[in-house]
Amino acid sequence: EVQLLESGGDLVQPGGSLRLSCTASGFTFSSYAMSWVRQAPGKGLQWVSAISGSGDTTYHADSVKGRFTISRDNSKNSLYLEMNSLRAEDNGLYYCARDPWSSGSLNWFDPWGQGTLVTVSS
Amino acid sequence: DIQMTQSPSFVSASVGDRVTITCRASQGVYSWLAWYQQKPGKAPKLLIYTTSNLQSGVPSRFSGSGSGTSFTLTISSLQPEDLATYYCQQASSFPYTFGQGTKLEIK
Repeated sequence: EVQLLESGGDLVQPGGSLRLSCTASGFTFSSYAMSWVRQAPGKGLQWVSAISGSGDTTYHADSVKGRFTISRDNSKNSLYLEMNSLRAEDNGLYYCARDPWSSGSLNWFDPWGQGTLVTVSS
Repeated sequence: DIQMTQSPSFVSASVGDRVTITCRASQGVYSWLAWYQQKPGKAPKLLIYTTSNLQSGVPSRFSGSGSGTSFTLTISSLQPEDLATYYCQQASSFPYTFGQGTKLEIK
């Protein structure tokens, strides 16, 4: 069974840093592109970052570019999101999600983890 | 960035009804359009990808159509378990963007 388990969410002050992790199981992790998608409380979905299966190619939303870095360690079946200079608008539930297919595509998100909560507040 | 706009934002329908949700893109996204279902307190789930392809395990009452800038998600016969918020997403170009969501209520 494919499973994605996020961790690392916490309460942090504005300007602070966090590192989110997503541990994958049930599939060949290195064969799939991965993404982070966030959801502010009571709001819709916002794509944050994506990374290819090899880790060679990454993409970030403009709102997080220069502050967030997506990475992966295929030997540990793990995806990461390094978050710096956090702002109130970064509040939300952060999901990791896999691309459905191992063809090298990076288009869709399925399945998703259950999310980890990031709260930025003084 | 490509803006995705869904309508309506809220829909209330009865079991057995046909429900249609529309998603419009601010510029053409070809067929690079997906639909997700998010049930209360749960993570989203992919329903349809590349406009009209049903993801494995998704009931056949769900269907998608459209191209370019206008797309629709149709539920042919609404079931109680379809209570959820539905989102469209474009994958034509980065940054990938979602619609604001359509909340579906069962009367």
